[in-house]
Amino acid sequence: DAEITQSPRHKITETGRQVTLACHQTWNHNNMFWYRQDLGHGLRLIHYSYGVQDTNKGEVSDGYSVSRSNTEDLPLTLESAASSQTSVYFCASSGQYNEQFFGPGTRLTVL
Amino acid sequence: AQSVAQPEDQVNVAEGNPLTVKCTYSVSGNPYLFWYVQYPNRGLQFLLKYITGDNLVKGSYGFEAEFNKSQTSFHLKKPSALVSDSALYFCAVRDMGYGQNFVFGPGTRLSVLP
Repeated sequence: DAEITQSPRHKITETGRQVTLACHQTWNHNNMFWYRQDLGHGLRLIHYSYGVQDTNKGEVSDGYSVSRSNTEDLPLTLESAASSQTSVYFCASSGQYNEQFFGPGTRLTVL
Repeated sequence: AQSVAQPEDQVNVAEGNPLTVKCTYSVSGNPYLFWYVQYPNRGLQFLLKYITGDNLVKGSYGFEAEFNKSQTSFHLKKPSALVSDSALYFCAVRDMGYGQNFVFGPGTRLSVLP
């Protein structure tokens, strides 16, 4: 069965370190998204991609970057982790007119 | 711009009673509407969607939702709640004329009491 996976599931890092969160989907979807979920804020869009070599900023993109070199993967990089980036991160993918499918999430703690 | 409101942070209902979780939306064009459920420490799971056609859509786990264009609402319903329905519910909208991005509501926590 097709799926979307994220790794690691849990990560603890220190302020200032670079962190990369992986997202891999086997749906063959063109569209991929990264969200963060925080209490009181719901889901907020960080970055998204509509296809290979395409990346776009979402509403909370500062301090994050993505790259899309193939259809299956959209890694999210925190260039210099900050305590404000402690959150749960979700990756999602979708076909052109369909619902988004979500990964299980990565819980990131920045100390 | 697209937006979604879920006016209730929390909904409590007794097991066996009907439940409603409310959602209203704002888009400039025609909407795609979605409901998702999130259980603790899990990702969001798709429940149902409205794209076009019948205003009443049926989804997973006995849930349904009614699209009301005049009231710009898409309320989630279930005739008889189960304790296992207790979770966080998100409404989402996509404006058909605005690309592939979704806007999610803030979520409503449903508690079904035994």
